[in-house]
Amino acid sequence: AQTVTQSQPEMSVQEAETVTLSCTYDTSESDYYLFWYKQPPSRQMILVIRQEAYKQQNATENRFSVNFQKAAKSFSLKISDSQLGDAAMYFCAYLFGNEKLTFGTGTRLTIIP
Amino acid sequence: NAGVTQTPKFRILKIGQSMTLQCTQDMNHNYMYWYRQDPGMGLKLIYYSVGAGITDKGEVPNGYNVSRSTTEDFPLRLELAAPSQTSVYFCASSYSIGELYNEQFFGPGTRLTVL
Repeated sequence: AQTVTQSQPEMSVQEAETVTLSCTYDTSESDYYLFWYKQPPSRQMILVIRQEAYKQQNATENRFSVNFQKAAKSFSLKISDSQLGDAAMYFCAYLFGNEKLTFGTGTRLTIIP
Repeated sequence: NAGVTQTPKFRILKIGQSMTLQCTQDMNHNYMYWYRQDPGMGLKLIYYSVGAGITDKGEVPNGYNVSRSTTEDFPLRLELAAPSQTSVYFCASSYSIGELYNEQFFGPGTRLTVL
C-alpha cells in the first residue's frame, strides 16, 4: 500500500524568508502524481503544485517549487519570499491512477511577521 | 460556476441518528469522491464514483453509504451515527479519461459532531 510521510508536524519561517517542507512516500509504481495542497483556517483544500513522476524537471508555480527525487522517493516543497497568507496546513499527496489520493498527516506552517 | 458545493456546513448528531451529506458539482466531472479528515490528520477516502451509477469503496467505508444517480450529485449517507464518525467531510470531483488525469477540486467541507 502506498504511504505518504510528512515528518515535520510544525514549521515556522520569518516573513520574506524561504522554507522547505519535507515529504517522503512509498510506492512500487513508476508512473504517478504527487501534489502539495494548502489548507488555510477556512478548511478549503487548495492545490498548490503538482508533479508528474515521469517528468524529471521539478515543477514551479510562482514562489512555490518542488525538489522531486524519484529514486529517493522524496518530494519537498520550497516556499520563497514567504508571505503572511502562506500560513496554513500543507499536505503532501500521492496519486496512482484516477482513484484515491493518499495524504500525509500535514505540516502546520506559521509565518512570523 | 459554483464548483463543488456541500451542505450542511456544520451538523451535530446524536448517537444512532442518521443523516445525508449533500455534494453537488457543476463542472460536468465524471469522478467524485468523499473524504474524511480527523483532527491532526490528512484526508482519507471513504467512497468514490467514476460515473453515474458506479460507486466503489475507499479506505474507510464502514458506516457509510453512497449513491450516484446523476453526474452532478454524490450524497453520503450515515445510517447509525457513532462518535467515531466525528470528523470533517470533504467532497471532491475531477474529470479524467483513461490515463489523462486532472486535479481534484474540493468542496468547503462539512463539520460533523456525533455526541
